[in-house]
Amino acid sequence: NAGVTQTPKFQVLKTGQSMTLQCAQDMNHNSMYWYRQDPGMGLRLIYYSASEGTTDKGEVPNGYNVSRLNKREFSLRLESAAPSQTSVYFCASSEFGTSGFGSTDTQYFGPGTRLTVL
Amino acid sequence: ILNVEQSPQSLHVQEGDSTNFTCSFPSSNFYALHWYRWETAKSPEALFVMTLNGDEKKKGRISATLNTKEGYSYLYIKGSQPEDSATYLCAFYNNAGNMLTFGGGTRLMVKP
Repeated sequence: NAGVTQTPKFQVLKTGQSMTLQCAQDMNHNSMYWYRQDPGMGLRLIYYSASEGTTDKGEVPNGYNVSRLNKREFSLRLESAAPSQTSVYFCASSEFGTSGFGSTDTQYFGPGTRLTVL
Repeated sequence: ILNVEQSPQSLHVQEGDSTNFTCSFPSSNFYALHWYRWETAKSPEALFVMTLNGDEKKKGRISATLNTKEGYSYLYIKGSQPEDSATYLCAFYNNAGNMLTFGGGTRLMVKP
């Protein structure tokens, strides 16, 4: 039982390049999330998927797109990377989601992807 | 965008000291307050989820209290150990945003 896995662990991009961060969970969770973590700013939600087939914007969605490929996988795409997107990206999942029971739902985090955009 | 603030930003204590830090959040439309522990080079892990005013949770030497009317939660660590060194994050859930909003964290360093 691997929990939440993310690939790659590290990535360096040049401005304007594109890439996709992959996330998978094996806990049969309904909801998945993408966060970015910047110094002194905690975790900020980029996008989330409350259930398979749905995606919604979080606090900082600009410059990103997401795909909920199936119940297990949730990818984050940077179409044209910018230096402001240099950050550590965390994927998370939770059992119930973001409505109803979601308020007390523990989120389980992946190991993170450290992205540098030059 | 909700304002969730944690203080202090960082804290250095000696092994054996007891310590506490604060999470402040908007008191309106409160649903839940989460605490996570985040060790360097690892992923955040859940400590507590609190929902009721006056709630108190405990796990070993770590405990937390909640005041939803005034919008704050305290996290206490009794007899700090070097292995307690981590960043402690709180996250607030209200029914307006349908998402967790995280504070900036308190980084605790315990010296042996």
